[in-house]
Amino acid sequence: ETGVTQTPRHLVMGMTNKKSLKCEQHLGHNAMYWYKQSAKKPLELMFVYNFKEQTENNSVPSRFSPECPNSSHLFLHLHTLQPEDSALYLCASSQGPDREYEQYFGPGTRLTVT
Amino acid sequence: AQSVTQLDSQVPVFEEAPVELRCNYSSSVSVYLFWYVQYPNQGLQLLLKYLSGSTLVESINGFEAEFNKSQTSFHLRKPSVHISDTAEYFCAVRDDYKLSFGAGTTVTVRA
Repeated sequence: ETGVTQTPRHLVMGMTNKKSLKCEQHLGHNAMYWYKQSAKKPLELMFVYNFKEQTENNSVPSRFSPECPNSSHLFLHLHTLQPEDSALYLCASSQGPDREYEQYFGPGTRLTVT
Repeated sequence: AQSVTQLDSQVPVFEEAPVELRCNYSSSVSVYLFWYVQYPNQGLQLLLKYLSGSTLVESINGFEAEFNKSQTSFHLRKPSVHISDTAEYFCAVRDDYKLSFGAGTTVTVRA
């Protein structure tokens, strides 16, 4: 595997379910990100991790819980979501959090909350 | 705070015709500028970027963008599009703190 991978690619869950999204980067990067992409809206940054430590939480509801066990893996744990949480969730990584470092994106997980 | 405005949400264009996607931003500090492309069912891929130096930057597949500081714009152009250029294009601006995206422009190339 190369680049940034995300699993699953598609997920349908009920509002009472608990599920997790997984992201893995094979680039040796130190920073990882979760974004939410809703139709016709700008990408919304959710969380930033640098060297496994969370450095930014962009006022995300607590029903989204991130976990970064190491610099290569990032999870997003989902619990009691709402239909408006349906979106494409994108993971990204970069060499560091500073602005000169390009972010590399995974293919995303298409989440549908029923 | 910074914001990114992509002025066109949909741009239909015929194959081999030119295309321009407009991007304006607002920021009180110096920024880096990016264009990302998202093909159907894929993640975002960096198309080109402006960090410093020449205000005209080019990609390997024929796109170019010009940074205009006075107009705070970073418009993307291609003189002759292909069917394979059908995708969604995102302009993004990075200051010292975060990368902010526009809402995207969907380019549909027709034969």
